[in-house]
Amino acid sequence: SQQGEEDPQALSIQEGENATMNCSYKTSINNLQWYRQNSGRGLVHLILIRSNEREKHSGRLRVTLDTSKKSSSLLITASRAADTASYFCELRGGSNYKLTFGKGTLLTVNP
Amino acid sequence: EAQVTQNPRYLITVTGKKLTVTCSQNMNHEYMSWYRQDPGLGLRQIYYSMNVEVTDKGDVPEGYKVSRKEKRNFPLILESPSPNQTSLYFCASSSQGLAEAFFGQGTRLTVV
Repeated sequence: SQQGEEDPQALSIQEGENATMNCSYKTSINNLQWYRQNSGRGLVHLILIRSNEREKHSGRLRVTLDTSKKSSSLLITASRAADTASYFCELRGGSNYKLTFGKGTLLTVNP
Repeated sequence: EAQVTQNPRYLITVTGKKLTVTCSQNMNHEYMSWYRQDPGLGLRQIYYSMNVEVTDKGDVPEGYKVSRKEKRNFPLILESPSPNQTSLYFCASSSQGLAEAFFGQGTRLTVV
């Protein structure tokens, strides 16, 4: 099944710094979505980027998509301790509608 | 309020005792899915359903059953639970196409 692979697996930064995490995939997609999961809770949708878009912003979030490299990045600017969570990418494409996820990136923001 | 509701939130049971985890959504979504989450393994899909009476296996379906008799409900059934099914379970729903998925609060299951 088509699923993204997040990188790095874990990231630890200080409050105020920027955090960047990446998602790579192997086949063509219609869109890519990023989700956040606080420990033990359900995933929450953050942002969607379509295959014909290259960059999207939402508050302190910036998502880029490079379909030629089959990769996406999620940038969180001016991070806060409350941003501590796991982040997952999710892919939709072609006939694939399985809604699958990778292992995520665990972000820790130290106060 | 748009939501996906799972019950129970916590469950401790014994090996072999059949159990059902319920999942209900109020958004008229066609698509529903079950996942289990274990440390270091991410979210693994158990079963999914594209619509009423249409279900299919995910990546880890062994030991689980599902049914989709109504659009809003997608229960997960463990006919004979075993300790290796101890995990955190999530239900999700989405409308087809490009839409975001909504997740339930999770069910923490312990099988002893």
